[in-house]
Amino acid sequence: SQKIEQNSEALNIQEGKTATLTCNYTNYSPAYLQWYRQDPGRGPVFLLLIRENEKEKRKERLKVTFDTTLKQSLFHITASQPADSATYLCALGKSYNTDKLIFGTGTRLQVFP
Amino acid sequence: DAGITQSPRYKITETGRQVTLMCHQTWSHSYMFWYRQDLGHGLRLIYYSAAADITDKGEVPDGYVVSRSKTENFPLTLESATRSQTSVYFCASRDRLFYEQYFGPGTRLTVT
Repeated sequence: SQKIEQNSEALNIQEGKTATLTCNYTNYSPAYLQWYRQDPGRGPVFLLLIRENEKEKRKERLKVTFDTTLKQSLFHITASQPADSATYLCALGKSYNTDKLIFGTGTRLQVFP
Repeated sequence: DAGITQSPRYKITETGRQVTLMCHQTWSHSYMFWYRQDLGHGLRLIYYSAAADITDKGEVPDGYVVSRSKTENFPLTLESATRSQTSVYFCASRDRLFYEQYFGPGTRLTVT
């Protein structure tokens, strides 16, 4: 069956360190992958999109990698800050129907001073 | 105000009642989506619409009805609410040419 897995356990890191979140998928052929941030009581906010033919994408302190052989995306936040504390969701757009996104369950990141 | 809004933000209803959740966007985005978010399941797609008068099922459509007579509105109706439909519902939209979705603030629905 098709599955997207994100670490369900919270990730706790110290301010200034790099946070690395993982998104693994099985039985998908994604055309692209997106990362969203969600704060408690709010809707998700789009952060980055990476396409199947791209290896890496950067935006300010954020970096996303996409390895279609390993079926994995890594999401990095460098020089993390307490304000980065949130839940981060990965989402796949299927190659045969790019209209829809399939979301992972998210990983909660806690950055402490 | 520009953006995507949902109403009501909170709703408590009884089993068997009909409930309509509203979604309105001001960007003239072609696509609109309804998701529900439950602990342990993440965001699951209920229905989506690629344009006015075009709708299609998502992952969990049973018990829900949608319509899209105008580009900016995409109401979601629970015809006969059940306790299993207690959830947080998010509406989202996106432009036809770009894949990133823009989410509303959510509606927390409780069915008693």
